[in-house]
Amino acid sequence: KQEVTQIPAALSVPEGENLVLNCSFTDSAIYNLQWFRQDPGKGLTSLLLIQSSQREQTSGRLNASLDKSSGRSTLYIAASQPGDSATYLCAVWYAGYSTLTFGKGTMLLVSP
Amino acid sequence: EPEVTQTPSHQVTQMGQEVILRCVPISNHLYFYWYRQILGQKVEFLVSFYNNEISEKSEIFDDQFSVERPDGSNFTLKIRSTKLEDSAMYFCASSEGVQSNYGYTFGSGTRLTVV
Repeated sequence: KQEVTQIPAALSVPEGENLVLNCSFTDSAIYNLQWFRQDPGKGLTSLLLIQSSQREQTSGRLNASLDKSSGRSTLYIAASQPGDSATYLCAVWYAGYSTLTFGKGTMLLVSP
Repeated sequence: EPEVTQTPSHQVTQMGQEVILRCVPISNHLYFYWYRQILGQKVEFLVSFYNNEISEKSEIFDDQFSVERPDGSNFTLKIRSTKLEDSAMYFCASSEGVQSNYGYTFGSGTRLTVV
């Protein structure tokens, strides 16, 4: 069964730190991987989409990498800010399926 | 930027009542989905819909659930007889295609509370 695992489950850092969130998946046959942000009680905002043929994607202070052979993706956040506080979800679109499989997320708290 | 719109944002219903959750996907998208998230748990797939029919559904999506695209813009999820365990945030999503360069766009969700 395809799974997505995210570690750590929660992370608390002071403002200005660079940080890395980890995502692992169980099958290298994927269409793509998406990172989402979810604020408490709110919807899912897409941050970055990495296609299966790509190794990384960047948007502003965010950089996501993909290593299919090891079944891992990382989301790197540079110079964290209190406004980055949210839950970050990793979702994998496994090949042959029409669905996304989500991890449980990493709850990030950036303190001023 | 195009959005997926969901209404209502919050619905409270009594156990056993029928509810309809509404979604307007992005206009040029062809694939439509419903996901749900019970408080504190993972986002879970319910159903995918393409070319006016269900293309895939999860074991959660039993006979109490149905989906419909009644016109060219709306996509609805109906729960026939709600149970307490149906309380969750329900997300609608759409996608332009099923290739690697297409991602999902999610709506802001409907929080369903069954009392």
